[in-house]
Amino acid sequence: GENVGLHLPTLSVQEGDNSIINCAYSNSASDYFIWYKQESGKGPQFIIDIRSNMDKRQGQRVTVLLNKTVKHLSLQIAATQPGDSAVYFCAEKVGQAGTALIFGKGTTLSVSS
Amino acid sequence: GAGVSQSPRYKVAKRGQDVALRCDPISGHVSLFWYQQALGQGPEFLTYFQNEAQLDKSGLPSDRFFAERPEGSVSTLKIQRTQQEDSAVYLCASSLALGRGRVGYTFGSGTRLTVV
Repeated sequence: GENVGLHLPTLSVQEGDNSIINCAYSNSASDYFIWYKQESGKGPQFIIDIRSNMDKRQGQRVTVLLNKTVKHLSLQIAATQPGDSAVYFCAEKVGQAGTALIFGKGTTLSVSS
Repeated sequence: GAGVSQSPRYKVAKRGQDVALRCDPISGHVSLFWYQQALGQGPEFLTYFQNEAQLDKSGLPSDRFFAERPEGSVSTLKIQRTQQEDSAVYLCASSLALGRGRVGYTFGSGTRLTVV
């Protein structure tokens, strides 16, 4: 079968490695997706977003991939740094701006130097 | 200020006590959201305001939860007769966007509520 990428609650990597965090979203009608980073004691911080009419978007050291066929989202972090250690959440939205975000299960990324 | 400000940062309430949590959104942001985040979980939607109008309150868990934004800026989330299951971090987010398109939600640092 197709490898859709398992969601892992924790991910440990070495500094300088590339990290891949996976997320399965719930609603096939979702048209907008966001990745957030949440550090201890802080609110979620925007990392990168992607609309459903795209399958890839790149930012600074981060790339988001969207596979609508299997409702799967991934976040790739290049050259992971200790400062990247945090909990990462994907979020999906359907429709207009006032619609609530639906957050997925978080992944705790630990980066060791 | 430059970000979304929430107060207090921490609140300990005795079971049965009423609490009020405040959110100061980014100036000019039309949309304001409240989310509840239980320990180890992702945030869950509570309610949404567009200016002073509360357009969606479908996520409020019970009638003990009430939110207002009377002048379209500062918002207050009130929880009456708090119970232990209300213990969570309450997050506020604001956004400039009204219609479709990229929506830049900015979250505050939250209020951690502990009911004892």
